[in-house]
Amino acid sequence: AQKVTQAQTEISVVEKEDVTLDCVYETRDTTYYLFWYKQPPSGELVFLIRRNSFDEQNEISGRYSWNFQKSTSSFNFTITASQVVDSAVYFCALSEPGTYKYIFGTGTRLKVLA
Amino acid sequence: SAVISQKPSRDICQRGTSLTIQCQVDSQVTMMFWYRQQPGQSLTLIATANQGSEATYESGFVIDKFPISRPNLTFSTLTVSNMSPEDSSIYLCSVEDPGEGGTFGSGTRLTVV
Repeated sequence: AQKVTQAQTEISVVEKEDVTLDCVYETRDTTYYLFWYKQPPSGELVFLIRRNSFDEQNEISGRYSWNFQKSTSSFNFTITASQVVDSAVYFCALSEPGTYKYIFGTGTRLKVLA
Repeated sequence: SAVISQKPSRDICQRGTSLTIQCQVDSQVTMMFWYRQQPGQSLTLIATANQGSEATYESGFVIDKFPISRPNLTFSTLTVSNMSPEDSSIYLCSVEDPGEGGTFGSGTRLTVV
């Protein structure tokens, strides 16, 4: 069965600190997609990144970076120099090939304090 | 990527009534999905709605409670029937979006009193 685990329920950091959000997944498929979404207090889901299972290159986008390691089934997300506007719930998700159905983790609530 | 308009954005409803949520996409898509996010919880898939066929429901969700329509390739509705306070959730639709993963609507925040 497919599963996504976000062990960190809530993280609080002070502005400008770096923070890493952990994501561990389980799947028997060899082809799959991993995602990170941000959900601010307003409730909408904001797409951050999609990564397929054949691409283990780390990615950096501004202050955001992602570390994908198939060997440990992890897809961790780091925010560098965090800002108050980064405060949100962050979800890691796994999708089944070709179906676009998502399995979401339980989310990590990030609070960035000024 | 696809742009989704979801209505209403929020509503407060009396128990025992029904609410229909609309999801409009700016392009034709084969698959549309409905998710529920209960307070403080993660998102759970309710059903997959393909045009021209009956919706496929996930375990724990039934058509009588969550009837879905998919009349064309750009539109779908989800009805939450005979509501109880336990139905208070955010309901989100999403569509296939091969370029960026799925695209989600902005959600409908439902409160049942």
